[in-house]
Amino acid sequence: SQKIEQNSEALNIQEGKTATLTCNYTNYSPAYLQWYRQDPGRGPVFLLLIRENEKEKRKERLKVTFDTTLKQSLFHITASQPADSATYLCALYSGGYQKVTFGTGTKLQVIP
Amino acid sequence: SAVISQKPSRDICQRGTSLTIQCQVDSQVTMMFWYRQQPGQSLTLIATANQGSEATYESGFVIDKFPISRPNLTFSTLTVSNMSPEDSSIYLCSVEGDRGTEAFFGQGTRLTVV
Repeated sequence: SQKIEQNSEALNIQEGKTATLTCNYTNYSPAYLQWYRQDPGRGPVFLLLIRENEKEKRKERLKVTFDTTLKQSLFHITASQPADSATYLCALYSGGYQKVTFGTGTKLQVIP
Repeated sequence: SAVISQKPSRDICQRGTSLTIQCQVDSQVTMMFWYRQQPGQSLTLIATANQGSEATYESGFVIDKFPISRPNLTFSTLTVSNMSPEDSSIYLCSVEGDRGTEAFFGQGTRLTVV
């Protein structure tokens, strides 16, 4: 069966360090992969998209990599700040009629 | 981008009653999506609502339990019917961006059934 796995344990890092979050998937051939940020009591907010033929995508302090051989995406936040503390969700577009499937998310806590 | 207003933001409801959640978008969109996010879980798609046709429900969700209306291109409602404590969850509406590669969400409705 199809599965998207994100580390369910919270990730705690020191301010200024690089946070790296992982998204692994099985039994998918995604056309693209998305990353979202979700704050408590709010809906997810779109951050980045990376397509199957792209290895890396950057946006300001964010970097996403996509390895379709390993079936994995890594999401990096450089020079992390306490304001980056949130839950980060990955999502896969699996083709067909535009259905997006979300992972369970990883909670990031940046400690001042 | 799209701005989505969803209400109510939260509610506490009695078992056996129904709650209707409203979703208003600031632009016309073809499809609107309704998700459920149970505590500690990811977003699960309930149904896709197209204007002028019946909603398409995902496996495990039925129209009798989650009736959806889509009267125009900027508005939709989701009703959670005959509620039980298992329906306690966050419900989110969503639309796609113009390029179809990103989703915009309302702030969610936190439902508690007692």
